[in-house]
Amino acid sequence: AQKVTQAQTEISVVEKEDVTLDCVYETRDTTYYLFWYKQPPSGELVFLIRRNSFDEQNEISGRYSWNFQKSTSSFNFTITASQVVDSAVYFCALSNAGNNRKLIWGLGTSLAVNP
Amino acid sequence: DAGVIQSPRHEVTEMGQEVTLRCKPISGHNSLFWYRQTMMRGLELLIYFNNNVPIDDSGMPEDRFSAKMPNASFSTLKIQPSEPRDSAVYFCASSFRHPNTEAFFGQGTRLTVV
Repeated sequence: AQKVTQAQTEISVVEKEDVTLDCVYETRDTTYYLFWYKQPPSGELVFLIRRNSFDEQNEISGRYSWNFQKSTSSFNFTITASQVVDSAVYFCALSNAGNNRKLIWGLGTSLAVNP
Repeated sequence: DAGVIQSPRHEVTEMGQEVTLRCKPISGHNSLFWYRQTMMRGLELLIYFNNNVPIDDSGMPEDRFSAKMPNASFSTLKIQPSEPRDSAVYFCASSFRHPNTEAFFGQGTRLTVV
């Protein structure tokens, strides 16, 4: 069975703090894809990153970075020097490459960055 | 490209009425998804089309829900008859060669059934 767990329901930080959002996944497939999406208060879902299971390189994009570790089945997301505009719900998701290509979603982590 | 376009953005209807939600995917995308989001259940995949063909509709809650994709540029999600528990935000998303690429989401339709 496939599953995505985002254990942190809500996180609150003060602006300029670093924050890490955890994502742990379960899958029996050797080929799979991991995603992070952001849902700001306006409601739309914004794609942040996609990673396939064969690419364990960490990625950095500005203040955002992602740490993919197959050994621990984790795909964690770190925001450095957080800003108020980072306040949103962040979703981690998993899909496989087989016949059933559903995106399996975590329940999301609500991040509040306070001034 | 204008992105995934959903209409209406908001819908308020009375219990028992038929509701039709519409989606125009991004041109060139061959996969289309309908999701429902509620506080209690989070994001739920309702149905997924590939090349206009429904691939997986196991998430459709019951027979009151139906979805069609008559062509590559249009899809509908219909609820008939609607019930208060159908109140949610419904998202449409599209992607190219899923799951190799990311899905792009519309702005959602907030449905309220009273």
